Amino acid sequence: EDQVTQSPEALRLQEGESSSLNCSYTVSGLRGLFWYRQDPGKGPEFLFTLYSAGEEKEKERLKATLTKKESFLHITAPKPEDSATYLCAVQLYNTDKLIFGTGTRLQVFP
Amino acid sequence: EPEVTQTPSHQVTQMGQEVILRCVPISNHLYFYWYRQILGQKVEFLVSFYNNEISEKSEIFDDQFSVERPDGSNFTLKIRSTKLEDSAMYFCASKLDSRNTGELFFGEGSRLTVL
Repeated sequence: EDQVTQSPEALRLQEGESSSLNCSYTVSGLRGLFWYRQDPGKGPEFLFTLYSAGEEKEKERLKATLTKKESFLHITAPKPEDSATYLCAVQLYNTDKLIFGTGTRLQVFP
Repeated sequence: EPEVTQTPSHQVTQMGQEVILRCVPISNHLYFYWYRQILGQKVEFLVSFYNNEISEKSEIFDDQFSVERPDGSNFTLKIRSTKLEDSAMYFCASKLDSRNTGELFFGEGSRLTVL
């Protein structure tokens, strides 16, 4: 069965304290891996697309990386406004649907 | 900035009643989706819609569910006879074309509470 697992479930950081979120996947035929941010009571907001192992994408304080088994979302010197739930999703070949993980709830304190 | 809009933001209904959730996708987008998120659980795929027909649906999307694009701008999800377990946040999403794969634009969601 295709599975996406995110860890940790929750993460509390001090402002400026860098860390990484993990997304591991067990799927048959990965077409792409995607990171989304979700604020409370809102819909997911697209952040990154990764297609192949070794690929990296960056946006402000966030950097996403991909290996053959997992992806990391690195947060450098986070700010309180980075507080949100970060969702990982995969798409397989021959399907249009996204399979989401349960997310990592990040809280950044000043 | 263009956005996906959903109405209502919250609907409370009695078990067995019909519910219609409405969405206006981004105007030049071609692919449309419904996802749902039960409180505290994963975002789950329900259905995808392209060229005025369902292109893919999940096992959740049974005969009680239907989708429609009645007028070229709205995209609706109908639940014919709601059950308690249908209580969830329902998200509409759209994307421009097939090249964008997983880059979906989500609406803010419609919270459905079934009593």
